[in-house]
Amino acid sequence: DTAVSQTPKYLVTQMGNDKSIKCEQNLGHDTMYWYKQDSKKFLKIMFSYNNKELIINETVPNRFSPKSPDKAHLNLHINSLELGDSAVYFCASSQPLSTGETQYFGPGTRLLVL
Amino acid sequence: AQKVTQAQTEISVVEKEDVTLDCVYETRDTTYYLFWYKQPPSGELVFLIRRNSFDEQNEISGRYSWNFQKSTSSFNFTITASQVVDSAVYFCALSEGYNFNKFYFGSGTKLNVKP
Repeated sequence: DTAVSQTPKYLVTQMGNDKSIKCEQNLGHDTMYWYKQDSKKFLKIMFSYNNKELIINETVPNRFSPKSPDKAHLNLHINSLELGDSAVYFCASSQPLSTGETQYFGPGTRLLVL
Repeated sequence: AQKVTQAQTEISVVEKEDVTLDCVYETRDTTYYLFWYKQPPSGELVFLIRRNSFDEQNEISGRYSWNFQKSTSSFNFTITASQVVDSAVYFCALSEGYNFNKFYFGSGTKLNVKP
């Protein structure tokens, strides 16, 4: 059973479009995250949700919005896509990081904006 | 200034050698957390360890060990008897404060373990 899954795995789209990436975890974790890894492999945390409360809000453009319909899901919505949004986006989940529990990552979604 | 510096861009070792990956961080907070992550060539991310600023005990997990030294603001990672499967990019990260609202990654160290 996949612990953290993301769909789609690949996403190719045009500039200006709106897209969503879905993330689901079946580990019963309280906290979920989105990370971005750019073409230079630099990692950045974008969002974290704990019990539907945003507890990390990195300085990302407001075109990006996380939406959590329930504890097991944290979807990433991106409006008005730009070329610079091309990256790999990773979803992850854990119990709160302060507990020291392991984070589990999804396989990543490769987004290419043309 | 960079919050997390991984000065070693790429390291190559021969299998069974020990290797240490360096991580130097910068913070004025008294409460912070340090992390290491692994990214194998297949691209997935793997969480390795989290350490809080109040716990300077070194950690050992199998062939992996971590040396946290506040005096030098370092959180180094050592792999003993390296194996080809250890080949990956390793990222160090720092989170400031209890709320993890300031989270910084290093640029990563690529480790090549040759047979």
